[in-house]
Formats: sequence, C-alpha cells, structure tokens
Amino acid sequence: QVQLVQSGAEVKKPGASVKVSCKTSGYTFSNYDINWVRQATGQGLEWMGWMNPNSGNAGYAQKFQGRVSMTRNTSTGTAYMELSSLRSEDTAVYYCARLPLWGLPFWGQGTLVTVSS
Amino acid sequence: QSVLTQPPSASGTPGQRVTISCSGAGSNIDSTTVNWYQQFPGAAPKVIIYSTNQRPSGVPDRFSGSKSGTSASLAIGGLQSEDEANYYCAAWLDTLNGWVFGGGTKLTVL
Repeated sequence: QVQLVQSGAEVKKPGASVKVSCKTSGYTFSNYDINWVRQATGQGLEWMGWMNPNSGNAGYAQKFQGRVSMTRNTSTGTAYMELSSLRSEDTAVYYCARLPLWGLPFWGQGTLVTVSS
Repeated sequence: QSVLTQPPSASGTPGQRVTISCSGAGSNIDSTTVNWYQQFPGAAPKVIIYSTNQRPSGVPDRFSGSKSGTSASLAIGGLQSEDEANYYCAAWLDTLNGWVFGGGTKLTVL
C-alpha cells in the first residue's frame, strides 16, 4: 500500500534551517510529484510547493520562494523539504503529500516544526 | 485570504443533509480537479472526495462532491455526530502552477 512516512519533530532557533524528510513506499516514486503543505496551530492548510522526483524540478508558492528547497533521493524514494531563515511564524505541522491532479491523494503523518528562541 | 472561499462554519442535526460550498470566483476551477478533506484536531487531513466527485474506498456514500461553474460543493447526507470536523476544499490552479486550499469549514453536529 502507498505510504509516506515523515521524519520526527524538530525544534529550531530563529534564523536556522530545517530539513524534513518524507520516505515513500508502495508505488513508483518517480511517477508522482511530491507536494508540501503546512498548517499552523488552529489555522488552515497552506500549500508550499511541488517537486517532480523524475526530473528534480520544483515549483514553489510565491510566499516561500527564495527560502524553500524541495529535493529528492531517487535511490531511497525519499523527498526532502528544507526551509531556511526560520521565524516564529514558521511554527507549524509540515505534511508531504502525493497529490495527483486526477487521482487519489496520499498524505504523510506530518512533522511538527517549532521555531523558538 | 484564501483563493477558495468556504463558509467558516456549518451545522446540522443528526440525520440532516448539509452542504459546504467552495467558491473559486475568478479562479476558474470549473476546468480543474477539486478535492475535499476531513480533518480532526491533531490528525492529518483525510481525503473524502477526490477528482471532484470520487469517493475513496471506505468513505461512506453519505459524502458526495459536485462542481458547477466556479463553485464546488461537498454534501453530507444523514449527518452523524462523528462527522463533526473541519473540512477543506483544494483545487489545482494552472494560473498559480500549484494547489490552493479553502480556508476550511468547521462542521458542528447539534
């Protein structure tokens, strides 16, 4: 079965970077883009960007451009999202998700990133 | 402010039918896919409708999705207390080359 399993919770200081991983299984990694979505406590869902595992190409929401990088390791079927210059407003649960335009979505379990001095 | 507009809250009594709207006025969602997610506090979103009107295995047929023009809708028939949750719509927009989410609707079963 399709699974996306994310790395554990992180605590970072303002100005630092965080890198969250998303290990996939149960399907051919290169066939589906991986998206990243975040959710601050008590807030809605916010799409951050997508990454094509086949080409490595990525597209980011304007809000995060220059501060986010989405990469992958095709040999392990793992996607990564790195967010830099962290500030308190970046405290949120970060989700990876397989979101085909026409097809069943699958989500990871989420990774809590806390930014605090 | 979300590109997709949902009512912040909705409510109904057990057994009732409730509809949650997702308006994409100006966003041309009539030609794109719409997904609906159910989310309980502290849990990851769960897809209940994908590709506008498809139900994943295991989701009761009380849940249905539709789209007309620039709006999409989620209907929940035979409302149950376990349906009390937050619901989000999501659509892919070519103009943004990305997904957009509605602001979410908190459904209360009275």
